[in-house]
Amino acid sequence: RKEVEQDPGPFNVPEGATVAFNCTYSNSASQSFFWYRQDCRKEPKLLMSVYSSGNEDGRFTAQLNRASQYISLLIRDSKLSDSATYLCVVNRANDYKLSFGAGTTVTVRA
Amino acid sequence: GAGVSQSPSNKVTEKGKDVELRCDPISGHTALYWYRQSLGQGLEFLIYFQGNSAPDKSGLPSDRFSAERTGGSVSTLTIQRTQQEDSAVYLCASSLVPGAGNSPLHFGNGTRLTVT
Repeated sequence: RKEVEQDPGPFNVPEGATVAFNCTYSNSASQSFFWYRQDCRKEPKLLMSVYSSGNEDGRFTAQLNRASQYISLLIRDSKLSDSATYLCVVNRANDYKLSFGAGTTVTVRA
Repeated sequence: GAGVSQSPSNKVTEKGKDVELRCDPISGHTALYWYRQSLGQGLEFLIYFQGNSAPDKSGLPSDRFSAERTGGSVSTLTIQRTQQEDSAVYLCASSLVPGAGNSPLHFGNGTRLTVT
C-alpha cells in the first residue's frame, strides 16, 4: 500500500464552483501534513500546511482527520488560475523524509 | 539567486552514457533533497543530505546512482550507464532545517532527463 494516496482526478469545474478532494495516508505516526501545488511542467510549491484544527487561507480550506487518516483540501470560488495538480505531502515526527502523493488534477473552465 | 537552481534544465543522452545533474540550494539551507518524477507519477524520494552527510540513501534506485554534496552547498547527482527507465524529471529541493514542520521545501525547476 502506498504511504500517501490521492484520487488523480481530473476534477473539471466551472469558474466560481467549489471543489474538494481528499488524500489518505497509511502511517498513523504521521505528524505534519501539507498541500503543494504543481503547475504543468513546473516545480511543486507549498500551498499550505494543514493543522490539526483545520485552517483556511483565503479561498482554500484544509482539514485533517486523524481518526480516518486523511486530509482534505477545499477550494471555494474557483478561478482559472487554480488549475493545477495538488500534491498531498505527509511527514512523520522527527523525520526528514516527506512522502508525496501522486497528485489530484483540477481544471477550472471558463 | 533567491531560489534553488538546477542545471542543466534539459539533458538528452544516449543509453549507457553517464550524466551529472547539479543543484545549487538556497544559501543557508542545511537540508537538501533529490526527488525523481516520472510522467504522471508522484515524487519519488532518492536521497537526503544534512550538511554534507547523506544519512539516507535508501531511495537511490540502483548502484548506478550516486550523489554528493560539498561545502554544505552544491550537490551533484550522478547516474552511470544510463538506461531508458532513468528518463524522468529530477527535482532538487532545500529547506532551512530538515523535517519540514515550519520549514517547507523549496524546489528547483528540475532537470528533464531523456535517455534515448
